[in-house]
Amino acid sequence: EVYLVESGGGLVKPGGSLRLSCAASGFTFSSYDMTWIRQAPGKGLEWVSGVSASDGRTYYADSVKGRFTISRDNAKNSLYLQMNTLRAEDTAVYYCASSTSPPHWGQGTLVTVSS
Amino acid sequence: QSVLTQPPSVSAAPGQKVTISCSGSSSNIGNNYVSWYQQLPGTAPKVLIYENNKRPSGIPDRFSVSKSGTSATLGITGLQTGDEADYYCLSWDSSLSFGVFGGGTKLTVL
Repeated sequence: EVYLVESGGGLVKPGGSLRLSCAASGFTFSSYDMTWIRQAPGKGLEWVSGVSASDGRTYYADSVKGRFTISRDNAKNSLYLQMNTLRAEDTAVYYCASSTSPPHWGQGTLVTVSS
Repeated sequence: QSVLTQPPSVSAAPGQKVTISCSGSSSNIGNNYVSWYQQLPGTAPKVLIYENNKRPSGIPDRFSVSKSGTSATLGITGLQTGDEADYYCLSWDSSLSFGVFGGGTKLTVL
């Protein structure tokens, strides 16, 4: 069975940094594109960033481009999201998702940006 | 303002049918897969439909989809109170080079 477990969330001050991790199991991690998606409190879902399995290309929503960096370590079956220059509007639950068939999502980790 | 457009809310009585539309463009729905997610209150989203029309195991055939041009529609028949949730569509946008969600639709089963 596919499992995705996010970690690394917490409280951080505006302008600060945080690194999220997503531990994957139950599938051949290196073969699938991976994605981060977030949901601000009381708001809808927002696609944040993705990384290709085939060539490592990365993709970012305009709202995080230049501040967030997605990466993957296939040897560790792990996905990461380095978040810099955090803003209050980055406060959200962050989910990692796999492009498996069907797609799978983790349970999310909460990031709160507040002074 | 979301790239994909969904109605903010829909409602119907138990046992009835409801449809939720998702409107986009040729750069997303028109040329890429659409998936649909259900989010029950206080829980993580769950995939209902992926790759336009595939249902994961365990998703009943009460949930169906249609896609035409730059729009997709989720249909739910035999409504149950347990179907009350937020529903989201998702597609890749080839022009933006990132994924785009609809704004979400809140389903109320009266």
